[in-house]
Amino acid sequence: QKEVEQNSGPLSVPEGAIASLNCTYSDRGSQSFFWYRQYSGKSPELIMFIYSNGDKEDGRFTAQLNKASQYVSLLIRDSQPSDSATYLCAVNREGYQKVTFGTGTKLQVIP
Amino acid sequence: DGGITQSPKYLFRKEGQNVTLSCEQNLNHDAMYWYRQDPGQGLRLIYYSQIVNDFQKGDIAEGYSVSREKKESFPLTVTSAQKNPTAFYLCASRPLAGNNEQYFGPGTRLTVT
Repeated sequence: QKEVEQNSGPLSVPEGAIASLNCTYSDRGSQSFFWYRQYSGKSPELIMFIYSNGDKEDGRFTAQLNKASQYVSLLIRDSQPSDSATYLCAVNREGYQKVTFGTGTKLQVIP
Repeated sequence: DGGITQSPKYLFRKEGQNVTLSCEQNLNHDAMYWYRQDPGQGLRLIYYSQIVNDFQKGDIAEGYSVSREKKESFPLTVTSAQKNPTAFYLCASRPLAGNNEQYFGPGTRLTVT
């Protein structure tokens, strides 16, 4: 079992719809959770982080964390073609310097 | 302008040659990281460093070496012992105080033929 699992996609959604990206993790000691966006050929860009169970909203993005079920998700409302990218989920265990990344989900927003 | 710089953006080398990738940050971050990204494999940690003159191996350190002589700089050398060096190399940094969010440089795409 991979430490951080994501569906590779592609996930296709029409413009204006809600895109839902999911990530599961295996380490119950995980404390910090991050979502990065990576455009093709570019480096990852941090867009959200969450530490507590529940939802965290930032503009059109909402991160949801459920530690009991060991999953974290990212919702993108009013999806735009510019949101088309690969979204990487990353997880960190408290006190550890290393962050474990998933392989990413490719999102395609269709105009 | 604060940020992380990596140079060059593209690098081509012949097999058997060592090559050094540059990573510089002016964010005053303590910790720095090197990752390798291959298609469909996500990011894999090569080396990381929390303080000057100290660094630790990541998950795939074989065939690589690093140094941390200055807080701002964390160069990575890809040696001839690395069997499959062609990849996208990413440098990241973060402050030690914080929540482990890492910030990435633009990356160097290395091609070895």
